[in-house]
Amino acid sequence: KQEVTQIPAALSVPEGENLVLNCSFTDSAIYNLQWFRQDPGKGLTSLLLIQSSQREQTSGRLNASLDKSSGRSTLYIAASQPGDSATYLCAGGRAGNQFYFGTGTSLTVIP
Amino acid sequence: GAGVSQTPSNKVTEKGKYVELRCDPISGHTALYWYRQSLGQGPEFLIYFQGTGAADDSGLPNDRFFAVRPEGSVSTLKIQRTERGDSAVYLCASSASGTANEQFFGPGTRLTVL
Repeated sequence: KQEVTQIPAALSVPEGENLVLNCSFTDSAIYNLQWFRQDPGKGLTSLLLIQSSQREQTSGRLNASLDKSSGRSTLYIAASQPGDSATYLCAGGRAGNQFYFGTGTSLTVIP
Repeated sequence: GAGVSQTPSNKVTEKGKYVELRCDPISGHTALYWYRQSLGQGPEFLIYFQGTGAADDSGLPNDRFFAVRPEGSVSTLKIQRTERGDSAVYLCASSASGTANEQFFGPGTRLTVL
């Protein structure tokens, strides 16, 4: 079974800082990895999807990388804003199989 | 539709009752997933449909849980003889053609079993 761990569990930073969220997984046969954001009481919003053949994806101030050999993915957020405050979740899956989620990192960006 | 929708948004029921939760995926998406999320946890996989068939139902916790997708679009998650431990947010997601593709989530149904 795939185990997905996210560190740190919670993070608080002042506005404008760059930050990195970490996701590690145990199954190197991962097919893709997806990062999500979840606001309190809401569903999940997709941020970035990295296929196994890719090393990174970028969208605006977000950059996600994937290193299958080490079982790690990172989400980099540049110039953080208070609106970035949310829980960030990563999920990895195999082709034709289920996805496994981490427990998330709760981010607070202080104005 | 424009996104994944789920109904109801909230459901309160009594222990032992039967409930149905509905998911409308994005139009044209062949893959549909159900997850369960408890407070402070990441979503936990329940079942994955490819078209009308359940490709993987290994996450269903016991035989009180059942899901259908008879026409390959709308799906219903059914829970019999509900227990207090079933209380959680039930999330539905869809993707274009399976686990290689980006998942899009609905807002969830918050189930409370009294």
